[in-house]
Amino acid sequence: GQNIDQPTEMTATEGAIVQINCTYQTSGFNGLFWYQQHAGEAPTFLSYNVLDGLEEKGRFSSFLSRSKGYSYLLLKELQMKDSASYLCAVIDSNYQLIWGAGTKLIIKP
Amino acid sequence: NAGVMQNPRHLVRRRGQEARLRCSPMKGHSHVYWYRQLPEEGLKFMVYLQKENIIDESGMPKERFSAEFPKEGPSILRIQQVVRGDSAAYFCASSPTGEVYNEQFFGPGTRLTVL
Repeated sequence: GQNIDQPTEMTATEGAIVQINCTYQTSGFNGLFWYQQHAGEAPTFLSYNVLDGLEEKGRFSSFLSRSKGYSYLLLKELQMKDSASYLCAVIDSNYQLIWGAGTKLIIKP
Repeated sequence: NAGVMQNPRHLVRRRGQEARLRCSPMKGHSHVYWYRQLPEEGLKFMVYLQKENIIDESGMPKERFSAEFPKEGPSILRIQQVVRGDSAAYFCASSPTGEVYNEQFFGPGTRLTVL
């Protein structure tokens, strides 16, 4: 079956760095997305990885290892507004998006 | 407002009634996706439509649920004879092409509560 695993919840301190992991077991792989979703709001796009390695975009970076079925989202210089859920989604061999349940990130002052 | 629009934002229905959820995609986007999200859970794909066509409805329950995207007007997700288990947030997303690699732009969602 298709499965995407993320930690349910994480807590970090303002100004610190946090890494949110995502492991996947899907029928094929054609790319991986990270989305941010604030409580009660729509998901918004953060990153897309299809090749192995690290993609950096400001304070946010996303890493992919296809051989390990693993990705992480790295958030630096955390701000209170980064408190949100972070959703990992994988494109499978049928070109369908399979979504993880999301990781709720709580930032403390 | 060039974003994806959904209405109503909140909808309350009694068991057995019909729920109609509307989605207007971003300007220039002709591909629409509907998702359901239960509390504390991830997004579940329901249906993918292009203007006047249902491309993929593999995630939509076979009974009571239907979707359309007419040539003119918004996309509609219709749930007939609602039950308590239909209570969820329903998100619509749009993209400029049907390529799954494209970023999807999400609307604010409709929160359906079935009493």
